Amino acid sequence: EAAVTQSPRNKVTVTGGNVTLSCRQTNSHNYMYWYRQDTGHGLRLIHYSYGAGNLQIGDVPDGYKATRTTQEDFFLLLELASPSQTSLYFCASSDAGHTNSDYTFGSGTRLLVI
Amino acid sequence: AQSVTQPDARVTVSEGASLQLRCKYSYSATPYLFWYVQYPRQGLQLLLKYYSGDPVVQGVNSFEAEFSKSNSSFHLQKASVHWSDSAVYFCALSPSSNQGKLIFGQGTKLSIKP
Repeated sequence: EAAVTQSPRNKVTVTGGNVTLSCRQTNSHNYMYWYRQDTGHGLRLIHYSYGAGNLQIGDVPDGYKATRTTQEDFFLLLELASPSQTSLYFCASSDAGHTNSDYTFGSGTRLLVI
Repeated sequence: AQSVTQPDARVTVSEGASLQLRCKYSYSATPYLFWYVQYPRQGLQLLLKYYSGDPVVQGVNSFEAEFSKSNSSFHLQKASVHWSDSAVYFCALSPSSNQGKLIFGQGTKLSIKP
């Protein structure tokens, strides 16, 4: 079954720490996305990509880097983590450009920066 | 600017009662509109979507939504709720130009009273 798998499920790091969140999709989708979810804000787009080696800036990119190494794998990097980046992170994939394409979301990574 | 507003952060209804969750959007053209549901400790699941045509769209679990261009709204409805409908509901918009990005509302937490 097509899916989006995120790891780790939970992560605790210290302020200034280095964190990498991983996402793998088996949907053969071209687009992948990283969102963060915060109470009162819904989900906000951090970065997205339409293929291996491509990166597009989302709406809340400050403090985040991302890299799409293959069609399947999309990573979110926090090189100097701050408490404001404590959040629930979702990865998603879609076959954008096709009207009937749906998004598939991962189960989320809960990050705590102390 | 594109935006989605869900004016009710929390809604409580009795089991068996009818439900309406409100969603207003701001976009210059006709967008693609979605409703997602998030159960505790899970990712987002698609309930229904509107691209064009009949303004009333049917979704899973007897949910439906009505698109209104004149009111810039896409309200979610259900005739009779069940305790298992307790969850957070997100309205989302994708611009017609569609790079695949989703713009989410803040979410509405639905609680069902026995």
